[in-house]
Amino acid sequence: AQSVAQPEDQVNVAEGNPLTVKCTYSVSGNPYLFWYVQYPNRGLQFLLKYITGDNLVKGSYGFEAEFNKSQTSFHLKKPSALVSDSALYFCAVRERINNRLAFGKGNQVVVIP
Amino acid sequence: EAQVTQNPRYLITVTGKKLTVTCSQNMNHEYMSWYRQDPGLGLRQIYYSMNVEVTDKGDVPEGYKVSRKEKRNFPLILESPSPNQTSLYFCASSPAGSYEQYFGPGTRLTVT
Repeated sequence: AQSVAQPEDQVNVAEGNPLTVKCTYSVSGNPYLFWYVQYPNRGLQFLLKYITGDNLVKGSYGFEAEFNKSQTSFHLKKPSALVSDSALYFCAVRERINNRLAFGKGNQVVVIP
Repeated sequence: EAQVTQNPRYLITVTGKKLTVTCSQNMNHEYMSWYRQDPGLGLRQIYYSMNVEVTDKGDVPEGYKVSRKEKRNFPLILESPSPNQTSLYFCASSPAGSYEQYFGPGTRLTVT
């Protein structure tokens, strides 16, 4: 079964600095990969996805992620963090042979003014 | 407005009292799913449905039931709730052939 690891519970970054949120995955075959963001007391919002094609995927709010097949990683990045980026970020993976979606435990991002 | 709605948003109940959490989407999506979110565990998939009358188990289906009689609705049923089902529940939907999901606002359930 597919699984996702988000090794850091919390990521602290100063406003204006680069932000990276790490994600590694385990699947059979080629994956579908996703990042979602959750603001306090809200549902999850889709940020970006990798299905096929370019390994660098660009998404909403200036976020991007790089698919690295050899390292089975899909790290989320933003060149310059904003205080409003403070939220809970989830990585998710779906195997192509089934329709089940596995989420990581989430990373709390705190952007310090 | 395109959205996924859940009701109720908050529910406190007692062990063994059957309850239903409703989920409805107005986007004509084929795929719908239920998740529970627990601290330190992230989101775990309970059940999903590829279309009307087609449902399948996710990772944590025990103690839950679902039905998909209409395309827009995907209720989550707890026949005999227990305290370990205290959690934050999310419903989500997506169109066939697309892979990103649209989430509802969540239902916070407490079972005492």
